[in-house]
Amino acid sequence: KAGVTQTPRYLIKTRGQQVTLSCSPISGHRSVSWYQQTPGQGLQFLFEYFSETQRNKGNFPGRFSGRQFSNSRSEMNVSTLELGDSALYLCASSSPADKISNEQFFGPGTRLTVL
Amino acid sequence: ELKVEQNPLFLSMQEGKNYTIYCNYSTTSDRLYWYRQDPGKSLESLFVLLSNGAVKQEGRLMASLDTKARLSTLHITAAVHDLSATYFCAVALPISNFGNEKLTFGTGTRLTIIP
Repeated sequence: KAGVTQTPRYLIKTRGQQVTLSCSPISGHRSVSWYQQTPGQGLQFLFEYFSETQRNKGNFPGRFSGRQFSNSRSEMNVSTLELGDSALYLCASSSPADKISNEQFFGPGTRLTVL
Repeated sequence: ELKVEQNPLFLSMQEGKNYTIYCNYSTTSDRLYWYRQDPGKSLESLFVLLSNGAVKQEGRLMASLDTKARLSTLHITAAVHDLSATYFCAVALPISNFGNEKLTFGTGTRLTIIP
């Protein structure tokens, strides 16, 4: 089974621009979660999507948004980029129907640098 | 709000020695995960602990969960250089009736094994 894939792997943007990151979950997984990792704040939950609906959102400003498509692929968007948005963005997929584990499997991440 | 504390933050140890990483959390949960992260890489799942008293072992690593004490430990036996990495614990809480979970991560423990 192929793992979680994320594109692009690296991005360089300038302040004020916007960016869209993509995540394809493991086949059969319907839940996609996004996390931001920075040296200062560590790993923080951004939001989670299941069946094309956002089920929960972390403590991030409205500039951070996302969506999920009918094939469970997900995108996240960051508008009006700030220097502090530079981070590794990790996507994770899981199968909530698997009530035994419901383990989240992480993709390779997208490294975003804002200049 | 759930808080997850890991200690120590940094650990430098000689090969062949034993040590334990501690993960304390503030809210009742019986689901906890341990991940490994190599520099510049994503998160690799190590252990899934799903109930009080759960103990899992893989090679030189052993993880346990005490839900009453809200404590998990990751024990390293006879450390080898290949175990050098950053280790994260993550506590899972449900965020919907579908079984979706949100992970709250500890600060991470950067482990360096000295030959």
